[in-house]
Amino acid sequence: GQQLNQSPQSMFIQEGEDVSMNCTSSSIFNTWLWYKQDPGEGPVLLIALYKAGELTSNGRLTAQFGITRKDSFLNISASIPSDVGIYFCAGPSTMKTSYDKVIFGPGTSLSVIP
Amino acid sequence: NAGVTQTPKFQVLKTGQSMTLQCAQDMNHEYMSWYRQDPGMGLRLIHYSVGAGITDQGEVPNGYNVSRSTTEDFPLRLLSAAPSQTSVYFCASREQNYNEQFFGPGTRLTVL
Repeated sequence: GQQLNQSPQSMFIQEGEDVSMNCTSSSIFNTWLWYKQDPGEGPVLLIALYKAGELTSNGRLTAQFGITRKDSFLNISASIPSDVGIYFCAGPSTMKTSYDKVIFGPGTSLSVIP
Repeated sequence: NAGVTQTPKFQVLKTGQSMTLQCAQDMNHEYMSWYRQDPGMGLRLIHYSVGAGITDQGEVPNGYNVSRSTTEDFPLRLLSAAPSQTSVYFCASREQNYNEQFFGPGTRLTVL
């Protein structure tokens, strides 16, 4: 089945620094989703991308849908302590037998040092 | 709206015991899913449903059963718990034509 890979696995940054993380796959996706999970909570959708090359912002967060359709990037500018959490990329499967399934990557864990 | 609710929040079982994790949503969403989250593994799909009376298997269905008798409820049954099922379980729902999934707060299950 389709799989998503995320890098880095974890990050420790100083408050105020910018953050970049990415998500890759060996197969194409038609939609890319970025979720954030706060400690002890369920994931919450941050940004959804629907078109190759699309660049979308949500406050200090910016995400891009890669031109090849096999990757996506998430940037966070001027990090603050509440950015701590796990960031997941996800996408609806493009396999004919699995159109209803949403696949998640393993996540990038972000720690912000005040 | 309460959104997606899950009970219990925490549960400890002994190997071989059975139990049901409850999930309910009040948003009239057609799609509901169960995921398990293990360290470094992300969220893995166990079972999902595209409407009342319709369920299908995800990536890791073995050892779990589901049913969907109403739009609102989607319980997950562990028939004979095993230590490998120690995990955090999340239920999620979404509308048929939208990709945004709404997640519940999770159930933290330990099997001894």
